[in-house]
Amino acid sequence: EIVLTQSPGTLSLSPGERATLSCRASQSVTSSYLAWYQQKPGQAPRLLIYGASNRATGIPDRFSGSGSGTDFTLTIRRLEPEDFAVYYCQQYGNSATFGPGTKVDIK
Amino acid sequence: QVQLVESGGGVVQPGRSLRLSCAASGIIFSRYGMHWVRQAPGKGLERVAGISDDGSNKYYADSVKGRFAISRDNSKNTLYLQVNSLRTEDTAVYYCASSLYYYDRSGLSGYWGQGTLVTVSS
Repeated sequence: EIVLTQSPGTLSLSPGERATLSCRASQSVTSSYLAWYQQKPGQAPRLLIYGASNRATGIPDRFSGSGSGTDFTLTIRRLEPEDFAVYYCQQYGNSATFGPGTKVDIK
Repeated sequence: QVQLVESGGGVVQPGRSLRLSCAASGIIFSRYGMHWVRQAPGKGLERVAGISDDGSNKYYADSVKGRFAISRDNSKNTLYLQVNSLRTEDTAVYYCASSLYYYDRSGLSGYWGQGTLVTVSS
């Protein structure tokens, strides 16, 4: 099973700042089958990025994904108030496993 | 507009069973792989089961193998999860999710329901 590690656990930033979230896999992720989800309190997760760098429908272009192999990054170019949430990475090329999440909160 | 609506959760004693359902609309249900993903209170996400568009392929997490059974009825646009021999550690919100695109058999979850809470307690 591929184990995903996310860092940092919590990221405290102000609106307008840039957020950089990391996801590292214990082994190479097949065909960059890496996704990012956003979850707000009391809500279901929402798909943001799939295939490491493809934005899902309706996702603003301030969200971008990059990486390959075992190292992946989610970047939020300028944080909006609605972006403060928990972000999970998921590899879906070998079964499917999620990382433990990164909480982005307001500084 | 894709809509996934879960039902069937509740409070149940350890060792008992439940059947969760997920009614889908806004998609051609028979073309989409489907998944159940759970989230224990204050914890992260765990994909517990998946089923291919035609029901021929099924996946189970080790934590539920032999106790949970996923199925679907494409004529009713409905996904099911039979949960047996429940344990306190199965307490979680159970989300139904669909694949992002047709005939996808990976674990990518493009659309999500709002979840149904299962509480296992004596």
